[in-house]
Amino acid sequence: NAGVTQTPKFQVLKTGQSMTLQCAQDMNHNSMYWYRQDPGMGLRLIYYSASEGTTDKGEVPNGYNVSRLNKREFSLRLESAAPSQTSVYFCASPYPGTSGGRTDTQYFGPGTRLTVL
Amino acid sequence: GEDVEQSLFLSVREGDSSVINCTYTDSSSTYLYWYKQEPGAGLQLLTYIFSNMDMKQDQRLTVLLNKKDKHLSLRIADTQTGDSAIYFCAESIGGGATNKLIFGTGTLLAVQP
Repeated sequence: NAGVTQTPKFQVLKTGQSMTLQCAQDMNHNSMYWYRQDPGMGLRLIYYSASEGTTDKGEVPNGYNVSRLNKREFSLRLESAAPSQTSVYFCASPYPGTSGGRTDTQYFGPGTRLTVL
Repeated sequence: GEDVEQSLFLSVREGDSSVINCTYTDSSSTYLYWYKQEPGAGLQLLTYIFSNMDMKQDQRLTVLLNKKDKHLSLRIADTQTGDSAIYFCAESIGGGATNKLIFGTGTLLAVQP
């Protein structure tokens, strides 16, 4: 049981290039989330998916697109990378709750470190 | 809007207690969380507290919640060098399928041997 996996772990892009960050969870959860982490700013929500086939914008969606391919996979795409998108990207999926089955808590993947030159 | 604030840095000696503080703004938050991030790693859930509780204890960790002042704290007893990490406070908003977490900026805990 790997939990939440992300690929790649590291990536360097030139301005204007595109790429897709992959995330997969093997816990059969409905919800999945993408965050970015920047120094001094904590984690900020980019997009989330409450269930297969649905996606919604978070706090900082500009410059990104997402696809919820199936229940297991949630990808984040940068169509034209910019230096401001240099960051660490985390995918998350709800952690099994213990209070009445509530699943608010989130389990994080190891992160993708992206540098845009 | 929602906002979560933390001090940026805390330094303690090994064996002492550490107290990391957090303030939040959304009074409708149902759960509040503490996550730990070690260098180069993802976030690990340490503990969480439901908003109708004042305190939760889990081994060396004690979480105190003052809902009136919107203040959350994490106390680590007998702090060890392995506790050195960044600690994030987070509040949940929305709930259910659309639950979102709002994170603080993180507090870097440095434990001196």
